[in-house]
Amino acid sequence: DGGITQSPKYLFRKEGQNVTLSCEQNLNHDAMYWYRQDPGQGLRLIYYSQIVNDFQKGDIAEGYSVSREKKESFPLTVTSAQKNPTAFYLCASILRGTGGNTEAFFGQGTRLTVV
Amino acid sequence: AQKITQTQPGMFVQEKEAVTLDCTYDTSDQSYGLFWYKQPSSGEMIFLIYQGSYDEQNATEGRYSLNFQKARKSANLVISASQLGDSAMYFCAMREGPGGTSYGKLTFGQGTILTVHP
Repeated sequence: DGGITQSPKYLFRKEGQNVTLSCEQNLNHDAMYWYRQDPGQGLRLIYYSQIVNDFQKGDIAEGYSVSREKKESFPLTVTSAQKNPTAFYLCASILRGTGGNTEAFFGQGTRLTVV
Repeated sequence: AQKITQTQPGMFVQEKEAVTLDCTYDTSDQSYGLFWYKQPSSGEMIFLIYQGSYDEQNATEGRYSLNFQKARKSANLVISASQLGDSAMYFCAMREGPGGTSYGKLTFGQGTILTVHP
């Protein structure tokens, strides 16, 4: 079955350590996205990528980095420069073009806790 | 600049009644897409409905319909015959089309928490 997979579901890290969140999709989608969600809040865009080897900063990119070496994969690294990294992280993918009944698919999310 | 605005932090509705969740957006693009998602307490994101900017008819999916008013830049979600299971957070989102510097950017609003009372 096609879908988008985030791993791990829960992640604990010590303050000052970099951590990488995985996002893989087998939907043959061109575009992929990373969001951060704090409790009771909306989704804030961190980075997005329309095609392989290209990505753009979203609204809260500081302290985060990404790569897009393969169409299927869009890993997010939370660096030590991110002041408050504890949050729920969601990855999404979508066909590149707009138009038609287009749905963005989401992973199940990763809850990152920094202690 | 905020692209998507949901002005209702919380809404309450009686079971079996209809409810409208508001969403306004801001873009200078002619081509864009509008989405509504539901997020229950589990955190998963459930796709509800999509409206393309060139679609002349309002989108409908079962009990969900999108009241698309292009000139007003609004895309309100109407849920008919509310059920207890509709209690959740609801997000409006916009994906920017070609022609601008933010092509493909998918931005979400702050969300509306809907509570359905029996």
